[in-house]
Amino acid sequence: DAGVTQSPTHLIKTRGQQVTLRCSPKSGHDTVSWYQQALGQGPQFIFQYYEEEERQRGNFPDRFSGHQFPNYSSELNVNALLLGDSALYLCASSPLRDRDNQPQHFGDGTRLSIL
Amino acid sequence: EDQVTQSPEALRLQEGESSSLNCSYTVSGLRGLFWYRQDPGKGPEFLFTLYSAGEEKEKERLKATLTKKESFLHITAPKPEDSATYLCAVGGGSNYKLTFGKGTLLTVNP
Repeated sequence: DAGVTQSPTHLIKTRGQQVTLRCSPKSGHDTVSWYQQALGQGPQFIFQYYEEEERQRGNFPDRFSGHQFPNYSSELNVNALLLGDSALYLCASSPLRDRDNQPQHFGDGTRLSIL
Repeated sequence: EDQVTQSPEALRLQEGESSSLNCSYTVSGLRGLFWYRQDPGKGPEFLFTLYSAGEEKEKERLKATLTKKESFLHITAPKPEDSATYLCAVGGGSNYKLTFGKGTLLTVNP
């Protein structure tokens, strides 16, 4: 049973560029959330996708956008990269039942470095 | 706004020396409190979900408990392989997101 998979594992970009990160959810999961984790901090919620729509958004600027596909996979796009965007980007998936009380399962993330 | 505070920030134990990690939270309408383990360079690995005060969950050397204001992760006779960062998160009210604490970095020396 494959867990949450993310690609790429590492990425190096320069300021001003844009980046796309990809996520395939765990089998049987239809809800995908994205988090940003800075060094030494806990993950911070970016947004969640369900039924191909953004269901909730955290305190992140519009430079951060996403998409969910019919097969439940998802992309995170970040435009006009800043040095402060350097972080581990985590994707989490969960099944939509029991009013979202199910735990979210995380992938190993994409380490994004901005030069 | 949901808030989670974990203590201590770092904990160093000798193998076999039991201890507890604390997670204090404020949330409007707790839907669940979640414990995760995170190894360096990896994503958080799910450990437990607690839904209501008084609930307890156990897995090997770990036991999680929940009150109305905090949760404890008790580690009994830890081994070096238990070394990791332990993260606590809450889901509450109409929020779909998880709110995480900064984590406790646990080091178990042989």
